[in-house]
Amino acid sequence: ELKVEQNPLFLSMQEGKNYTIYCNYSTTSDRLYWYRQDPGKSLESLFVLLSNGAVKQEGRLMASLDTKARLSTLHITAAVHDLSATYFCAVAGSNDYKLSFGAGTTVTVRA
Amino acid sequence: DAGVTQSPTHLIKTRGQQVTLRCSPKSGHDTVSWYQQALGQGPQFIFQYYEEEERQRGNFPDRFSGHQFPNYSSELNVNALLLGDSALYLCASLYRSGNTIYFGEGSWLTVV
Repeated sequence: ELKVEQNPLFLSMQEGKNYTIYCNYSTTSDRLYWYRQDPGKSLESLFVLLSNGAVKQEGRLMASLDTKARLSTLHITAAVHDLSATYFCAVAGSNDYKLSFGAGTTVTVRA
Repeated sequence: DAGVTQSPTHLIKTRGQQVTLRCSPKSGHDTVSWYQQALGQGPQFIFQYYEEEERQRGNFPDRFSGHQFPNYSSELNVNALLLGDSALYLCASLYRSGNTIYFGEGSWLTVV
């Protein structure tokens, strides 16, 4: 069974500083997803990473994938209040579309 | 282009009752998955439908069943509701040959 671990589970950020969320997974996968969820809302797709060494950036968020280490990172640059949310990584098994989610990282950005 | 739409958005049911949740996938998407998200947890995969057949199933009891229609829309049925079934139920859609998976706004189910 594919297991996904995220850390930290809670992250209190100071505005303007940089932070990283880590996502480790247990077995081979060819697709890794990052989602954002605001309280009481659904999941918003942030990134899909498909290959080893893949890096994607959107605004203050940058995600990368190391398939050999089974590790993805979500880097936040110069945090702002609007980034407060819960971030999930999810991994699809090889040749299937079932997503296994991590427990989520709840991010709070303070002034 | 409408995204993934789900109905109803909120509902309250009594223990032992049955519930049906509905999902219309994003235009052009042929695969629908259902997830259960309990409060404070990550979503858990229930099952996936493609070509009107259940293709994969997560670790959920037979009380959870589903259906996919020829227009790719889908239903999730839960029988003999338990208090522990209270959760946000999310529908996700994708095009089988694509990679991006989109989620609907979800259906909040409260069992009392």
